[in-house]
Amino acid sequence: NAGVTQTPKFRILKIGQSMTLQCTQDMNHNYMYWYRQDPGMGLKLIYYSVGAGITDKGEVPNGYNVSRSTTEDFPLRLELAAPSQTSVYFCASSSPSGGGNTEAFFGQGTRLTVV
Amino acid sequence: DQQVKQNSPSLSVQEGRISILNCDYTNSMFDYFLWYKKYPAEGPTFLISISSIKDKNEDGRFTVFLNKSAKHLSLHIVPSQPGDSAVYFCAAFSRGVTQGGSEKLVFGKGTKLTVNP
Repeated sequence: NAGVTQTPKFRILKIGQSMTLQCTQDMNHNYMYWYRQDPGMGLKLIYYSVGAGITDKGEVPNGYNVSRSTTEDFPLRLELAAPSQTSVYFCASSSPSGGGNTEAFFGQGTRLTVV
Repeated sequence: DQQVKQNSPSLSVQEGRISILNCDYTNSMFDYFLWYKKYPAEGPTFLISISSIKDKNEDGRFTVFLNKSAKHLSLHIVPSQPGDSAVYFCAAFSRGVTQGGSEKLVFGKGTKLTVNP
């Protein structure tokens, strides 16, 4: 019963490097999200997707890109890493239904440090 | 502009007593409110939710109250246990009107609850 799986758990990047944070879910959820959490702050939405082939910007999308080629996978791409992108990144998925509970299931997070 | 506010960054409670965590919101379009619990080095986990058409929802030791006129909700934990020590996030959700919706959660900054034995 994997749920939402994120890899890697930790990563240190040098300024200007690029990397992809992987996220996969096995619950057949249509909705997927990427959040970042900075110290002492709540989670801020980076990008989200309401289904395969559809993505949209959240509150803090600059410096990131996403793709959603399958229902299961929602990778987050950092092209030119900057110190401001040092954060903990959470992927989540949900399957909102009309009038029903809309709880999102979160992965364990990726702690990224840019030096 | 913060749409979901948790004004208390921390709360300390004695074991067995009631913990009350508060949350205020500004967007009257929110349909659903959720509480998440987060332990260190883990992702948030869903705790309890409430629809905007209700004023109370209860699940075991956890009760969420919603006061729409005041745009305020609270989470009550009674009795509090040391295992409840975690960061609690209030989140809100509003359905979009476009095809497929634009559902996304808006989170508060969190309140760190410490339950002392």
